[in-house]
Amino acid sequence: QKEVEQDPGPLSVPEGAIVSLNCTYSNSAFQYFMWYRQYSRKGPELLMYTYSSGNKEDGRFTAQVDKSSKYISLFIRDSQPSDSATYLCAMSIKAAGNKLTFGGGTRVLVKP
Amino acid sequence: GAVVSQHPSWVICKSGTSVKIECRSLDFQATTMFWYRQFPKQSLMLMATSNEGSKATYEQGVEKDKFLINHASLTLSTLTVTSAHPEDSSFYICSARGGLAVYNEQFFGPGTRLTVL
Repeated sequence: QKEVEQDPGPLSVPEGAIVSLNCTYSNSAFQYFMWYRQYSRKGPELLMYTYSSGNKEDGRFTAQVDKSSKYISLFIRDSQPSDSATYLCAMSIKAAGNKLTFGGGTRVLVKP
Repeated sequence: GAVVSQHPSWVICKSGTSVKIECRSLDFQATTMFWYRQFPKQSLMLMATSNEGSKATYEQGVEKDKFLINHASLTLSTLTVTSAHPEDSSFYICSARGGLAVYNEQFFGPGTRLTVL
């Protein structure tokens, strides 16, 4: 079993819809939770990071962490075709040097 | 945000040759750099962590004699794939991190696509 599980998709939504992404994890020691966006043949770009359970909002993006359930989510409101990309969740432990453990990524397609 | 560059962006080489990939932090000092590889439609797998001026720490299963990492300065790390074979063909991505905050964001480079014939 992988430490971080993420549905590979593809997830296809119409423009303007809410995109809902999630990851589950097995290691309760994870402290920091990140969401990255990766366009094809490009490096990942950090979208959000959180370190506590609850919600964090930044523009059209909301990150949610539920440590008791070992479950994190990312919501994208008012989705645009430019949001079409692969979204990767990642987690880290400070004592382990904050090395990132990535989920497999979910491919998202926002159709005009 | 901080900028990390990689060079070259893509490279094709013959089996048995060595290839060097550079990773540079352009506007900050990177105390730590990371090297990842990514196969098509798969996630990033950490290969090694390097701190400036010291030997790299390799993840389990990564051959350190095959993937030579040098982090000679606070702005440059290099990955050399020695005696490359077709199975080494992959997308190699570096990231860089600086500072001593509780959480230090990693800034990723654009990646290097290696094709070994």
